[in-house]
Amino acid sequence: GAGVSQSPRYKVAKRGQDVALRCDPISGHVSLFWYQQALGQGPEFLTYFQNEAQLDKSGLPSDRFFAERPEGSVSTLKIQRTQQEDSAVYLCASSLANMPPYNEQFFGPGTRLTVL
Amino acid sequence: KNQVEQSPQSLIILEGKNCTLQCNYTVSPFSNLRWYKQDTGRGPVSLTIMTFSENTKSNGRYTATLDADTKQSSLHITASQLSDSASYICVVTVSGGYNKLIFGAGTRLAVHP
Repeated sequence: GAGVSQSPRYKVAKRGQDVALRCDPISGHVSLFWYQQALGQGPEFLTYFQNEAQLDKSGLPSDRFFAERPEGSVSTLKIQRTQQEDSAVYLCASSLANMPPYNEQFFGPGTRLTVL
Repeated sequence: KNQVEQSPQSLIILEGKNCTLQCNYTVSPFSNLRWYKQDTGRGPVSLTIMTFSENTKSNGRYTATLDADTKQSSLHITASQLSDSASYICVVTVSGGYNKLIFGAGTRLAVHP
């Protein structure tokens, strides 16, 4: 595809519901990142995949957050038992590789999650 | 702790005027510094990238500077246009591993006619 796509673009969940956010990276990109962006703030790192391997999940705020990329392409970020503090924009980014000059990250438009 | 701080938090200017946004960072080891533009409801898009050996980089009406000694960067926008209204985010890459990005909180720029 032309760029990174994410779906849904907007999600409203009731507190306690589970949600799943999807990311389709640029075809052939090895690296995939998830970020959480609170209103008026810069993105904060959640987790990183190299192909299907999740190499860093140190940014996930709690064990309610889970991410997977089973075939090394599409990734899903799942949030269980959503809380109001989970309300944010969730950005996905992909890069061709890790090493310069191929490590520029290209971002999707994000999924805006609102937990009521 | 790796941190990126930006100022001002927000800025309003008139169309056609110039402006300069500031970024200070404490990131080690340093790989490169990027300025991103983020339109409302969109993902960030890279404007410029500079390594420690580069002290200026231009992209059209955008000019970024980097002082690796003082760990400061600036983004200068010339002859602003209404379409420049966006958040501008300073991002520093940590060298090594998978090149983790450290983001600033951004400067929200509004260009008024």
